[in-house]
Amino acid sequence: DGGITQSPKYLFRKEGQNVTLSCEQNLNHDAMYWYRQDPGQGLRLIYYSQIVNDFQKGDIAEGYSVSREKKESFPLTVTSAQKNPTAFYLCASSVRQANPYEQYFGPGTRLTVT
Amino acid sequence: GQQLNQSPQSMFIQEGEDVSMNCTSSSIFNTWLWYKQDPGEGPVLLIALYKAGELTSNGRLTAQFGITRKDSFLNISASIPSDVGIYFCAGRVNYGGSQGNLIFGKGTKLSVKP
Repeated sequence: DGGITQSPKYLFRKEGQNVTLSCEQNLNHDAMYWYRQDPGQGLRLIYYSQIVNDFQKGDIAEGYSVSREKKESFPLTVTSAQKNPTAFYLCASSVRQANPYEQYFGPGTRLTVT
Repeated sequence: GQQLNQSPQSMFIQEGEDVSMNCTSSSIFNTWLWYKQDPGEGPVLLIALYKAGELTSNGRLTAQFGITRKDSFLNISASIPSDVGIYFCAGRVNYGGSQGNLIFGKGTKLSVKP
């Protein structure tokens, strides 16, 4: 079945450590996105990539880094510079940036940093 | 930055009731998407709208793209217990031909009436 997978589902880290969240899609989508979700909030865009080897900062990119070496994969690293890393992280993909424009989400990774 | 106002923030449903929620923006959007999110899961796309005035149904769900292009509505008819969850609207601005990214509302939480 086609879809987006994120792993792991739950992640625990100590403060000061970098951590990488995985996102893989087999939908043959060109564009991929990372969002952060905090309780009672909408989704906020961290980074996005429209094509392999290219990515752009979203609204809250500080303290995060990404890579896009393969079309199927868009890992997110939460660095020690991110001041409030505990959150629910969602990866999404879309066929392209042009309409029809529909983003599909993975199941999410809940990161807890203590 | 762009903001979406989604209302109501929360509501209680009784099985069989119809439910309505809406999103408004200060900007003109060229795309509206509606998602449902269950606890601990990623949002699932329900309906996508691309034209002002467009009315689209998906089973018991109906969504409309407002004619002013600054709002959208989602209606759920004859609600059932599995309708509980958080519903998000998301809109996309067209910056004079350049496509923007999705902006999300903060969600409408549907719960079962006690």
